[in-house]
Amino acid sequence: SQTIHQWPATLVQPVGSPLSLECTVEGTSNPNLYWYRQAAGRGLQLLFYSVGIGQISSEVPQNLSASRPQDRQFILSSKKLLLSDSGFYLCAWSVRGSNTEAFFGQGTRLTVV
Amino acid sequence: GESVGLHLPTLSVQEGDNSIINCAYSNSASDYFIWYKQESGKGPQFIIDIRSNMDKRQGQRVTVLLNKTVKHLSLQIAATQPGDSAVYFCAENRDYKLSFGAGTTVTVRA
Repeated sequence: SQTIHQWPATLVQPVGSPLSLECTVEGTSNPNLYWYRQAAGRGLQLLFYSVGIGQISSEVPQNLSASRPQDRQFILSSKKLLLSDSGFYLCAWSVRGSNTEAFFGQGTRLTVV
Repeated sequence: GESVGLHLPTLSVQEGDNSIINCAYSNSASDYFIWYKQESGKGPQFIIDIRSNMDKRQGQRVTVLLNKTVKHLSLQIAATQPGDSAVYFCAENRDYKLSFGAGTTVTVRA
């Protein structure tokens, strides 16, 4: 069966520090991969999605970047965090080439202080 | 702006009653919709989906209705239980991207 791992679960980082959140998927090949951010009490905002290795699409301009160094690995990064980067970050995957449901990881609660 | 939106941010339901959560979408070309349940501090979980060639789809205790004429879909939960307390999101999948509404928080009263 397919599983998605996302870590860490919680993270407190000072303003101006770098960020690296990692997500890996097991049990499937060539997935679509996504990074979402959820502000408190709000819906999910799509940040990045990827349909293949090295292929990254950004949905909104921001202080973050994403990379996909391997087929089932998706990384969210920042060189210098801002207070406004605080939030709940969710990684998700879906089956390549089809409009189907996405499966989510357990999320990372990031607090920038 | 959002392509999907929920009508009410909160819903309080008596245990055992049926719950109805509503959602509207704006793009008539949308052809696939999903309902997710999110418990506090966790990622969203898939509940049920529906494609635009259907009006209704049923799962275990849940039913999704799609009205393409008014671009509206709803999630009905039968015999609501305390474990149904969560935030519910409708989402639209178009061009391999999921767009989410703001969510409805369902609270089940004992």
